[in-house]
Amino acid sequence: EAQVTQNPRYLITVTGKKLTVTCSQNMNHEYMSWYRQDPGLGLRQIYYSMNVEVTDKGDVPEGYKVSRKEKRNFPLILESPSPNQTSLYFCASMKREGGNEQFFGPGTRLTVL
Amino acid sequence: KQEVTQIPAALSVPEGENLVLNCSFTDSAIYNLQWFRQDPGKGLTSLLLIQSSQREQTSGRLNASLDKSSGRSTLYIAASQPGDSATYLCAAHFGNEKLTFGTGTRLTIIP
Repeated sequence: EAQVTQNPRYLITVTGKKLTVTCSQNMNHEYMSWYRQDPGLGLRQIYYSMNVEVTDKGDVPEGYKVSRKEKRNFPLILESPSPNQTSLYFCASMKREGGNEQFFGPGTRLTVL
Repeated sequence: KQEVTQIPAALSVPEGENLVLNCSFTDSAIYNLQWFRQDPGKGLTSLLLIQSSQREQTSGRLNASLDKSSGRSTLYIAASQPGDSATYLCAAHFGNEKLTFGTGTRLTIIP
């Protein structure tokens, strides 16, 4: 089944404790992206990757890092999480040619205390 | 600035009625537009994707239209059912490899 998976689905952590949210897709998509969703603000893009070893900042990249060492994986790293990073996070992937429909993972609900 | 707006933020409709959800965008140089459904606390389910060269797309009881010149898209839901209750999001692809989302319309179908 074609899908985007994220782990963990739920995470409660404390300020300053480094964490990684994993994202994996099995559709051989070149493009992958991370979004965060906050009430009243909608979904905003954090980082995106056009292909392996190619990443770039989205609209709200501060406090986040990403890497793209393999085509299928695009982890989101919070080196020193803060309470304002409490949010619902979505990973998405897209084939860069032929329609450009984006497929989303199930989301990761992160709470930083 | 490229922006996407959805009005109203919430809508309640009796079961069985046909309804229209609105989405407007500021840049007519749109690449495509995607409609999603989101259930509370859940992920995004893609409903329809309309390319800039298309005027509409249909899937079952759903029909989405795109008018680039006026900067508008609509999602038409026929014969609404309680199971249609969810938040509906539209997102525009302006060719810069990201989706710009509206803040959504929360739809409630009243049995």
